Amino acid sequence: DTAVSQTPKYLVTQMGNDKSIKCEQNLGHDTMYWYKQDSKKFLKIMFSYNNKELIINETVPNRFSPKSPDKAHLNLHINSLELGDSAVYFCASSPSFKYEQYFGPGTRLTVT
Amino acid sequence: GEDVEQSLFLSVREGDSSVINCTYTDSSSTYLYWYKQEPGAGLQLLTYIFSNMDMKQDQRLTVLLNKKDKHLSLRIADTQTGDSAIYFCAEKGQAGTALIFGKGTTLSVSS
Repeated sequence: DTAVSQTPKYLVTQMGNDKSIKCEQNLGHDTMYWYKQDSKKFLKIMFSYNNKELIINETVPNRFSPKSPDKAHLNLHINSLELGDSAVYFCASSPSFKYEQYFGPGTRLTVT
Repeated sequence: GEDVEQSLFLSVREGDSSVINCTYTDSSSTYLYWYKQEPGAGLQLLTYIFSNMDMKQDQRLTVLLNKKDKHLSLRIADTQTGDSAIYFCAEKGQAGTALIFGKGTTLSVSS
């Protein structure tokens, strides 16, 4: 199936831990994104990469570090997890800056 | 700054038409989008409209754009229970890359 996939789908962890979320797209797109959806369903951009280069870095704590090993992958590493990091994290991709974005299924992160 | 506003809830009966409204602030937006999110699922791109268009129709979906008033609407004809979901309006931000989302309209369809 051609799609944007994320792993894991659910992640439950304790405060202070470090965790990673992986994203892969097989659509041949150049641009990838991470969005955060909070408990009120509000969606906000975190990062955007184009051809493995960081393009957008919104006001996100530096505990969050994206890494793009190649155009098809954009991973999100989070250090020293806090309760407020609990949210659903969505990866997305688009053919370039200009075009529509396709979203992955989301990773529900719960920090206890 | 950029902002996208939507009403939070809409309740309709099966078979009726649903109209979800959205207003945005960035007059330089080139594309405007509608996404659908079913419970526990990701965001599904429903449709989008280029800013030089007034209307776009795709089967049961009709998008209307009033660029002067910065108003976007999504009409769903013959609404079905399977249309129950959260609908997000989004515009491209000034940086031209990230999407700026509204808070989403929860559509509830009763039979």
